[in-house]
Amino acid sequence: EPEVTQTPSHQVTQMGQEVILRCVPISNHLYFYWYRQILGQKVEFLVSFYNNEISEKSEIFDDQFSVERPDGSNFTLKIRSTKLEDSAMYFCASRLGDRINSPLHFGNGTRLTVT
Amino acid sequence: DAKTTQPNSMESNEEEPVHLPCNHSTISGTDYIHWYRQLPSQGPEYVIHGLTSNVNNRMASLAIAEDRKSSTLILHRATLRDAAVYYCILRVDSYSGGGADGLTFGKGTHLIIQP
Repeated sequence: EPEVTQTPSHQVTQMGQEVILRCVPISNHLYFYWYRQILGQKVEFLVSFYNNEISEKSEIFDDQFSVERPDGSNFTLKIRSTKLEDSAMYFCASRLGDRINSPLHFGNGTRLTVT
Repeated sequence: DAKTTQPNSMESNEEEPVHLPCNHSTISGTDYIHWYRQLPSQGPEYVIHGLTSNVNNRMASLAIAEDRKSSTLILHRATLRDAAVYYCILRVDSYSGGGADGLTFGKGTHLIIQP
């Protein structure tokens, strides 16, 4: 069964550094998402992406965050200047997009540790 | 997404059925009821969804009350692998033209399976 894959599985970075988290969504999917989960807390929506542009973003997704689909297969999340509070699991998801109820398929996440 | 209420945790024995309740008294006529689960150290995983009629798939069954103000996810024969956090989420059914469609996760129900 096709999967959403995320790399790296664990990223350690120093505060103030830029990080790029990478995702390969399922190949025929049209909608792409990033979520995050701080340890012990809820899964939080960050951003959705469709037709090469952001369709929705949450309050968390401020100017430090950006997303890109650079080559038709990868979907990336960039954090320009990381803060300690950015430490979390980051999940990428995709869905087919025929109807809004098409299920989201999630990757197993990248654990970001900011020191 | 309209609000749902779930118990914080439930415990069951292996190989017995599990009934996970969800209350959604403010559900609107266009809201679908979705269930996702999150196994330890993994991303969320789609389980099932429905509108009015009960639904079955290979993972679970979804029983929806006649007034749609509550629903129950049924795992017919729980295994240790079913230990996870289960999320009940309401989603509006509409044609996917981009726009607001990020899932809103609550705290879910932490299902503990005893061997």
